[in-house]
Amino acid sequence: EIVMTQSPATLSVSPGERVTLSCRASQSVSINLAWYQQKPGQAPRLLIYGASTRATGIPARFSGSGSGTEFTLTINSLQSEDLAVYYCQQYNDWPYTFGQGTKLEIK
Amino acid sequence: QVQLVQSGAEVKKPGASVKVSCKASGYTFTNYYLHWVRQAPGQGLEWMGIINPSGGSTNYAPKFQGRVTMTSDTSSSTVYMALSSLRSEDTAIYYCAKLAAGSDFDLWGRGTLVTVSS
Repeated sequence: EIVMTQSPATLSVSPGERVTLSCRASQSVSINLAWYQQKPGQAPRLLIYGASTRATGIPARFSGSGSGTEFTLTINSLQSEDLAVYYCQQYNDWPYTFGQGTKLEIK
Repeated sequence: QVQLVQSGAEVKKPGASVKVSCKASGYTFTNYYLHWVRQAPGQGLEWMGIINPSGGSTNYAPKFQGRVTMTSDTSSSTVYMALSSLRSEDTAIYYCAKLAAGSDFDLWGRGTLVTVSS
């Protein structure tokens, strides 16, 4: 099973900041990686697939990069509505696995 | 309207089984695999398995192998997830989802809360 490790677990941020979230895979997943955003009481929402392709309707301030085992989600000019938990997920091999999440909270 | 509609909340006793349904609409049911993902209270997302609605082939996460059964009914465009030998740690929201997995088509049900309590 591929283990996905996200860091940090929690990030205190201010609106307008540039935020970088990390995700590491225990073995290569190529670019078969997605990023999800989840707000309280809601199902996850797809942000990025293929490591760097924004999903339809996702603002340009969200960007993804990386390949192999190291991935990054960057949020430029953080908005208050971006406060949420972010998960990476690999779909290179079954079982598909999620990272444990990074929670963005107000500084 | 493209959607996945899940069955309602369940309360079960330890040792019992639960069966959650997920009805697809607005797209061709047999064209896309469906996944089950669960989330315990205050915890992260956990992938349980996948089913091909056309034919019913499945792949389960090792953690759930032997306790989970996923089935499909093409006549009603519905998939089911049954989990047996329930314990308190199985208390969670269970989501069915068409995960993007390399595409732009990602769709989640609203989730079904399963509570396991004596």
